[in-house]
Amino acid sequence: KQEVTQIPAALSVPEGENLVLNCSFTDSAIYNLQWFRQDPGKGLTSLLLIQSSQREQTSGRLNASLDKSSGRSTLYIAASQPGDSATYLCAVRGGSNYKLTFGKGTLLTVNP
Amino acid sequence: DAGVTQSPTHLIKTRGQQVTLRCSPKSGHDTVSWYQQALGQGPQFIFQYYEEEERQRGNFPDRFSGHQFPNYSSELNVNALLLGDSALYLCASSTRTGRWDQPQHFGDGTRLSIL
Repeated sequence: KQEVTQIPAALSVPEGENLVLNCSFTDSAIYNLQWFRQDPGKGLTSLLLIQSSQREQTSGRLNASLDKSSGRSTLYIAASQPGDSATYLCAVRGGSNYKLTFGKGTLLTVNP
Repeated sequence: DAGVTQSPTHLIKTRGQQVTLRCSPKSGHDTVSWYQQALGQGPQFIFQYYEEEERQRGNFPDRFSGHQFPNYSSELNVNALLLGDSALYLCASSTRTGRWDQPQHFGDGTRLSIL
C-alpha cells in the first residue's frame, strides 16, 4: 500500500527566504508525482507534474525534483512571498489503478 | 475555458439523511474522480468514473455511490450520513487518453457538514 509523508507539517518563514518542502513515498513504482497548492477552504491548484522518467520540473519560482529510486521529491520555492502562504500537498499516481495518493500537506506561512 | 465546477459549495445535513453532490469536468475531459478530504488530512480517493461506469474504487463503504452522465458530468451520493462523513468533497477531472501522464484538475469542492 502506497504511503506518502510530507515533512515538515508546518513551516513559517520571513518574506524573501528560499525554502524546501519534502515529500517521501513508500512504493517507487509510480507513474508520476504532482504538487498542489490549497488555500483555506478551497480546492487544489496543480503546481507541477513530474513524470516518473523526469528528474525535475520548473515553473517560475517553483522547482520540483523527483528521485524515484529513493522515493523522494522536493518542492523548492525561491524568494518566498506572503501570497505563497497555503498548504502544499504532494500526490503520487501508481499501482494498478489511476488514483492519486496524497500526503497530509505542509502548511506554509510567509511573514511580511 | 471553464475548469472543474462543483455544486453546491456548502451543505448541512443531519445524521441518517442522504446527499447528492455534483461535478462538471473541465472542458475536453471525460474522466471524473471523487476524493474526500477530512480536516487536516490529505484527500482520500473514493472512486473514478469514465464511460459512465465506476472503474476504480477506494476503501469506502457502499453508502458512497456515484453516477456519470453522457455529458461526462458526475454525481456523488452518500446515504445514511454519519458524523464522520463531514469533510470537503473534491472532484477531479482528466482525459482517459494518456490518463497516466496527464495532471488531474480539481474543483473547489463541496463542504459537507453533518449535525
